[in-house]
Amino acid sequence: GAVVSQHPSWVICKSGTSVKIECRSLDFQATTMFWYRQFPKQSLMLMATSNEGSKATYEQGVEKDKFLINHASLTLSTLTVTSAHPEDSSFYICSAWQGANSYEQYFGPGTRLTVT
Amino acid sequence: GQQVMQIPQYQHVQEGEDFTTYCNSSTTLSNIQWYKQRPGGHPVFLIQLVKSGEVKKQKRLTFQFGEAKKNSSLHITATQTTDVGTYFCAGEARAGKSTFGDGTTLTVKP
Repeated sequence: GAVVSQHPSWVICKSGTSVKIECRSLDFQATTMFWYRQFPKQSLMLMATSNEGSKATYEQGVEKDKFLINHASLTLSTLTVTSAHPEDSSFYICSAWQGANSYEQYFGPGTRLTVT
Repeated sequence: GQQVMQIPQYQHVQEGEDFTTYCNSSTTLSNIQWYKQRPGGHPVFLIQLVKSGEVKKQKRLTFQFGEAKKNSSLHITATQTTDVGTYFCAGEARAGKSTFGDGTTLTVKP
């Protein structure tokens, strides 16, 4: 199957700083990428949908000014957690969707963010 | 908004026993996907179902999509220790957006 990478795989930052997470589709072009957040032993919560060349669509309750998403190319989307706080600590996972007739999402390995 | 419910939340079985997880959507779905997430890993796509009443098999796994396209099930025959993990269904009601169920975590006792 298609490969999606995420970088970094884990990061520890101090409260008040910003962290950027990259999501790349390595062997296909992703018209759409999704950003999820997953708390321990819970399901994936969709944060936003990122379409190449346009503004991301955020889910209700997700602050767009805090979670900045940029989808500059068909193979790269970035999520920046601005002014991070301990409650932002979580597992962030991206997925890429080829679109058209393909329904499956290819997930990245996730990024573990810890804010101290 | 669309809700996808999955039951049971946890299932503990003895190796060799069967296992089933059920997924129910509050709205009619265009398709449903199933994913498996191993402990510490990320979700991995298993299968997608599109047609009403569709049944698909992958070795010991059988996936069903309900006639009304609002529910689905995943059945594993004769579980093995390699089957452990959390199984998520994800229902797509409109193009490009899937809602994930809460998942069923399967543990298998050897």
